[in-house]
Amino acid sequence: AQSVTQLGSHVSVSEGALVLLRCNYSSSVPPYLFWYVQYPNQGLQLLLKYTSAATLVKGINGFEAEFKKSETSFHLTKPSAHMSDAAEYFCAVTIIQGAQKLVFGQGTRLTINP
Amino acid sequence: NAGVTQTPKFQVLKTGQSMTLQCAQDMNHNSMYWYRQDPGMGLRLIYYSASEGTTDKGEVPNGYNVSRLNKREFSLRLESAAPSQTSVYFCASSMSQGSYGYTFGSGTRLTVV
Repeated sequence: AQSVTQLGSHVSVSEGALVLLRCNYSSSVPPYLFWYVQYPNQGLQLLLKYTSAATLVKGINGFEAEFKKSETSFHLTKPSAHMSDAAEYFCAVTIIQGAQKLVFGQGTRLTINP
Repeated sequence: NAGVTQTPKFQVLKTGQSMTLQCAQDMNHNSMYWYRQDPGMGLRLIYYSASEGTTDKGEVPNGYNVSRLNKREFSLRLESAAPSQTSVYFCASSMSQGSYGYTFGSGTRLTVV
């Protein structure tokens, strides 16, 4: 079965600094990988997804993630943090066999310091 | 607006009461899902419906039942609510297979006292 581990339940960066949110996955077959963002009191919004095409994936709001099979990682980055990036971020994995069931990581809460 | 609609948005129940959470999508998606979100635990799958007429247990199904009423609607029922079911519940939908990811509703915040 597939699983996801997000390293760090809380990450704090200064405005303008690099954002790096870590995600490692486990899957016995080639995975599809996703990053979602959740703003306070809202549902989850898709940031970006990896679907076995380009390993560097660009998403909304300046975020991107790189799929590294050798490291089983899919870390999320943004070169320059903005106050509006403060939210909770979830990494998720699925395999395309049978019903498409997303398995989520525990989430990382990102705080931006002025 | 197209998307996933959940009702109600907030609910307080007494222990032992029952209730049904409603979910409807208008994107012609085949698959629908119910998740619960608890602090530090991410989202955990309760039940899912891969297609109309089918339902299956997820990771944490105990204490819940579901009904896939038609292609658009997927309800979650708590027959006898317990404080451990205090959580935020999210409904989601997706195409049956593929790389599309999910579309989520805005959630139902349930408190059981």
